[in-house]
Amino acid sequence: AQSVTQPDIHITVSEGASLELRCNYSYGATPYLFWYVQSPGQGLQLLLKYFSGDTLVQGIKGFEAEFKRSQSSFNLRKPSVHWSDAAEYFCAVGAYFDNTDKLIFGTGTRLQVFP
Amino acid sequence: DADVTQTPRNRITKTGKRIMLECSQTKGHDRMYWYRQDPGLGLRLIYYSFDVKDINKGEISDGYSVSRQAQAKFSLSLESAIPNQTALYFCATSDFASGVPYNEQFFGPGTRLTVL
Repeated sequence: AQSVTQPDIHITVSEGASLELRCNYSYGATPYLFWYVQSPGQGLQLLLKYFSGDTLVQGIKGFEAEFKRSQSSFNLRKPSVHWSDAAEYFCAVGAYFDNTDKLIFGTGTRLQVFP
Repeated sequence: DADVTQTPRNRITKTGKRIMLECSQTKGHDRMYWYRQDPGLGLRLIYYSFDVKDINKGEISDGYSVSRQAQAKFSLSLESAIPNQTALYFCATSDFASGVPYNEQFFGPGTRLTVL
């Protein structure tokens, strides 16, 4: 079955530290992968997406993610976290089932940033 | 102005009441979606519509209904609200693009619904 796993429910980092948020997916076909960010009181905003090509994709706000097919992973990274990055982050996979395409979300990782 | 708007932004209601959440978009997208978000569960799809005449159930449609009044408007109704429908509700839109099977979805700001 199609699924997305974000193993870390909550992560805390110091401002300026590096960040990696984990995402693993289960999908039998070519995955289409997304990372969204939800700031407090806001809707979801797309950070980056992977459809094909270069497995390292760059997104907004200095984020990047690397697709590793062998590990079924699409981890999100940032070299130096800013206090404004505190938010909830969702990984998602585009899947085709029930005769239509759908977006399957992980359960999210909440990022807390200490000064 | 926001491309995807939701009204109301916050709503408190009582068990058994009928409530409607509204979504409007100015992006010109054909596809619209309703999700609910619960802590620890991520976003789950309630209903989706690929055009005005196309309505489809998502994974958690029981207790909900929808109406696609126009390309730009997609409403979610709770006919008889119950406390476990307390959640954050999001509307989203996307565009169909030939050759791109999964296009980005654009989300509204959400409606926080509390059912007492």
